[in-house]
Amino acid sequence: GENVEQHPSTLSVQEGDSAVIKCTYSDSASNYFPWYKQELGKRPQLIIDIRSNVGEKKDQRIAVTLNKTAKHFSLHITETQPEDSAVYFCAAPGAAGNKLTFGGGTRVLVKP
Amino acid sequence: SAVISQKPSRDICQRGTSLTIQCQVDSQVTMMFWYRQQPGQSLTLIATANQGSEATYESGFVIDKFPISRPNLTFSTLTVSNMSPEDSSIYLCSVAPTGREEQYFGPGTRLTVT
Repeated sequence: GENVEQHPSTLSVQEGDSAVIKCTYSDSASNYFPWYKQELGKRPQLIIDIRSNVGEKKDQRIAVTLNKTAKHFSLHITETQPEDSAVYFCAAPGAAGNKLTFGGGTRVLVKP
Repeated sequence: SAVISQKPSRDICQRGTSLTIQCQVDSQVTMMFWYRQQPGQSLTLIATANQGSEATYESGFVIDKFPISRPNLTFSTLTVSNMSPEDSSIYLCSVAPTGREEQYFGPGTRLTVT
């Protein structure tokens, strides 16, 4: 099955700086890569996703890049704000389609 | 996105007992899933809840421990059977709208087993 590794496990940034989280996956059949944000005590929330037919996608201050050859994808958050503090998870479906395998998560702390 | 609710939101149970968690969606969806999130950990898929047939379980999860029902396209239940403290986790359902790849999560059920 799919194996997803996520780095770093924790990330502390100063407000206004950028944050980058990287994930690698093992199954070359994966073609959909979502990112979730989970605030303390809340459900994971889908914040952005990318499909294998594009290399980059942006939505305001967040962007995701995908390198299918190297089997890795990254989340970029620019101009970080305290409300960006949360745990972020990447995921990939593998050959199974809808069944997501999640990375281990990155705890992001934005210091004011 | 779909509106997803779960009941109960939290419970404290004694070891050896069972708890049934309900997941309700406000629209018909083809795919429903159950995940477990142990304290401070990532999400692990337990099973895919199939409408009209048995659930499909992931490695490490068995039907006797986690029986699942999916009577229609808007509702599913997960039972955690013969509970032990190791079952203390958050259990989340998720749905993928028909024809879409995105998954949306319910609010979760926080289970504590004493």
